[in-house]
Amino acid sequence: DAGVTQSPTHLIKTRGQHVTLRCSPISGHKSVSWYQQVLGQGPQFIFQYYEKEERGRGNFPDRFSARQFPNYSSELNVNALLLGDSALYLCASSLFGTQGTRSTEAFFGQGTRLTVV
Amino acid sequence: GNSVTQMEGPVTLSEEAFLTINCTYTATGYPSLFWYVQYPGEGLQLLLKATKADDKGSNKGFEATYRKETTSFHLEKGSVQVSDSAVYFCALSEGYDKIIFGKGTRLHILP
Repeated sequence: DAGVTQSPTHLIKTRGQHVTLRCSPISGHKSVSWYQQVLGQGPQFIFQYYEKEERGRGNFPDRFSARQFPNYSSELNVNALLLGDSALYLCASSLFGTQGTRSTEAFFGQGTRLTVV
Repeated sequence: GNSVTQMEGPVTLSEEAFLTINCTYTATGYPSLFWYVQYPGEGLQLLLKATKADDKGSNKGFEATYRKETTSFHLEKGSVQVSDSAVYFCALSEGYDKIIFGKGTRLHILP
């Protein structure tokens, strides 16, 4: 079975541009989460989507947005890119999310390396 | 708010040495605790987890015990290998897959 797949793997953008990152979860997984990992730091939670609805949001500006499609794939959009947005963007999928119970295991993709110049 | 603090690296050990990476957490509820590993050029992999106090997570010779009284989840391995060289992240989750990570500890194992 394919794991979590993210595209593209690497991307270079200019300040002020817009970027869209894509994530396909493991087949059957309905929950997708996005994380930003700046070099030398741990990943920071950005969004979580379950059944196409936003269920959690981290401390990121409104320039960051996301959505989940009927096939449970997801896009992360970042507008007006800043140099500080350069990072590895990780997507994670899980079977159910928590929904009031203990979380099921989250599986991570290999990430999209975004460089803003 | 919830947070995770882990020992800073890099940690350099010789092969077959004993490993401890310290991790403490702050949480308002009863989180699940995790150790993730990130090998060079790869994404995050779950190494082990514990969902309640006194649980011991174990995998690939690594162990960590959920200590509520000391709010700790230290990672240990009795005999490390060169292939264990990676970055290790301690993490917690209180729900909805929002995982809070520590800053990571880079581990170098010398042959």
